[in-house]
Amino acid sequence: DIQMTQSPASLSASLGETVTIECRASEDIYNGLAWYQQKPGKSPQLLIYNANSLHTGVPSRFSGSGSGTQYSLKINSLQSEDVASYFCQQYYNYPPTFGSGTKLEIK
Amino acid sequence: QVRLKESGPRLVQPSQTLSVTCTVSGFSVTSYHVSWVRQPPGKGLEWVGAIWKGGSTDYNSALKSRLSISRDTSKNQVFLKMNSLQTDDTGTYYCAKHAQAYYGYSAFDYWGQGVMVTVSS
Repeated sequence: DIQMTQSPASLSASLGETVTIECRASEDIYNGLAWYQQKPGKSPQLLIYNANSLHTGVPSRFSGSGSGTQYSLKINSLQSEDVASYFCQQYYNYPPTFGSGTKLEIK
Repeated sequence: QVRLKESGPRLVQPSQTLSVTCTVSGFSVTSYHVSWVRQPPGKGLEWVGAIWKGGSTDYNSALKSRLSISRDTSKNQVFLKMNSLQTDDTGTYYCAKHAQAYYGYSAFDYWGQGVMVTVSS
């Protein structure tokens, strides 16, 4: 199975700041990567697919980048509603696997 | 409007079988694939298995011997059955729609609200 190593495990930032979350795959996943946001008590919501494509309705302050084994999610101008856990997922190869998550809080 | 909704028991005894139903609307299970994903309390996400639009299935190899995923196309429902439950099967079980209709894995663009299942005597 492809292992997804996500960092940091937790993150605290101020409103208006820019934050970056990283995900490293154990092998090349050829941009087969998604990012999800999960608010407390809610189901995950798709933010980014194919490493850098914004899902319908997702604010443009979210962006994804990367290639090969290294990928990142950037959130510009942090808003209070961005408090959540964020997960990466590779779907290039069976089985789909997820990163361990990043918990984002506001300072 | 795409919607998925899980239903099933909240409490299951150890060694018993879990049965969860995912009722979908806004798309047909014969047009898009559906996966099951679970999440232990306070932990990460684990892919459980999928049913492809043609009706074939794929399972997480770690769970395969205990799993069955099926569907009723007339009711647009997908079913998860997992037997020999243990306490570490406790968690929220989600069904999720695959974003792409081609055969192959893709992101999950819509998720159900999930059903929290506790395995305990």
